Amino acid sequence: KAGVTQTPRYLIKTRGQQVTLSCSPISGHRSVSWYQQTPGQGLQFLFEYFSETQRNKGNFPGRFSGRQFSNSRSEMNVSTLELGDSALYLCASSIGTSGTAREYFGPGTRLTVL
Amino acid sequence: SQQGEEDPQALSIQEGENATMNCSYKTSINNLQWYRQNSGRGLVHLILIRSNEREKHSGRLRVTLDTSKKSSSLLITASRAADTASYFCATDPNTGNQFYFGTGTSLTVIP
Repeated sequence: KAGVTQTPRYLIKTRGQQVTLSCSPISGHRSVSWYQQTPGQGLQFLFEYFSETQRNKGNFPGRFSGRQFSNSRSEMNVSTLELGDSALYLCASSIGTSGTAREYFGPGTRLTVL
Repeated sequence: SQQGEEDPQALSIQEGENATMNCSYKTSINNLQWYRQNSGRGLVHLILIRSNEREKHSGRLRVTLDTSKKSSSLLITASRAADTASYFCATDPNTGNQFYFGTGTSLTVIP
């Protein structure tokens, strides 16, 4: 099976702009989670989608949003970018059942906000 | 925060030595997983241990889980330079479907 893919791999934006990141999960996986990783804060959970519905949400402002399509592909959008949004954004997919679920991570999108 | 915490934050050892890192968490869990991350890249799953298990082995990895102390340890035996990476524990609480990652241990194995 192909692994989790994320596009683009690198992105440079300026403050105030918006950005959309894409994640294609492993075939058959219905859950997609997004994480923000920064040196200071570590891995922070953004949100999780399962069957096109947001099932869990982390403690991030409303500028961060996401969606999931019927084919389980997911997008994450950040509006009105701030310098502090510079981070590695990781997407992970899993079968989606709790208890034994294992997350498979993509390579990440490195976002730099200037 | 329900995040786990790894200890130590950084560890430097010689090739061939064993490396032990610990993870503490706050809530009851379904399972605990360990991941490895090479610099600036995605996380790679290493091992999963269920809440009713106490120890698990996978190759040179040994994971223990003490649910009474809400802690886990990862032992890498006979370390290699290629083991140099950051190691994270992730917990799957039995409330909800969200994974909580620890702050990570940065391991450096010196050839």
